[in-house]
Amino acid sequence: DAGVIQSPRHEVTEMGQEVTLRCKPISGHDYLFWYRQTMMRGLELLIYFNNNVPIDDSGMPEDRFSAKMPNASFSTLKIQPSEPRDSAVYFCASSYAGVEWGAFFGQGTRLTVV
Amino acid sequence: GQQVMQIPQYQHVQEGEDFTTYCNSSTTLSNIQWYKQRPGGHPVFLIQLVKSGEVKKQKRLTFQFGEAKKNSSLHITATQTTDVGTYFCAGPSYNQGGKLIFGQGTELSVKP
Repeated sequence: DAGVIQSPRHEVTEMGQEVTLRCKPISGHDYLFWYRQTMMRGLELLIYFNNNVPIDDSGMPEDRFSAKMPNASFSTLKIQPSEPRDSAVYFCASSYAGVEWGAFFGQGTRLTVV
Repeated sequence: GQQVMQIPQYQHVQEGEDFTTYCNSSTTLSNIQWYKQRPGGHPVFLIQLVKSGEVKKQKRLTFQFGEAKKNSSLHITATQTTDVGTYFCAGPSYNQGGKLIFGQGTELSVKP
């Protein structure tokens, strides 16, 4: 298995632009997580899905952030409009049957908003 | 809310010295997990501990889960430069089955 695949790996965009991050989870995993990592706040859980259904989006910072999972093999995290404070590394992770047996992270998308 | 705390935040060691990071949860955990993130990399699952008092070893790494299942430690014997990175502990949320609560991590640097 190729693991969790994220794209793009790096994104530089101007303030106000729409940004879409993509994730392909490990085949057979039924949980998908979006995390954000910054020096100041560490690893923050933004939202997670179970069987493509959003379960908890309480970590989504504000309405500018939205996430979808149209099928078991694809998810997007969208920021519209983007702001410089959104600059961070965004990780997607997936797991099987909850998190009791660990979560497996993608390589992340480093987002810079200028 | 449920919290997982790690200390120290940073640790600088000379190659060959030992290293230990400690993890404490505000609630009893069903299990504790450890992850390693290399500089510029992503968190990688290392191990899971489930039983009270459990000890597991991976080469030079020793992981312990406390008797009360609220604390854990990771000990590295004779550190090497390949051990550089940030070590995170994480535990499942007690009331949200799909949520992992991560500690802030301990960043380890190793001077050759």
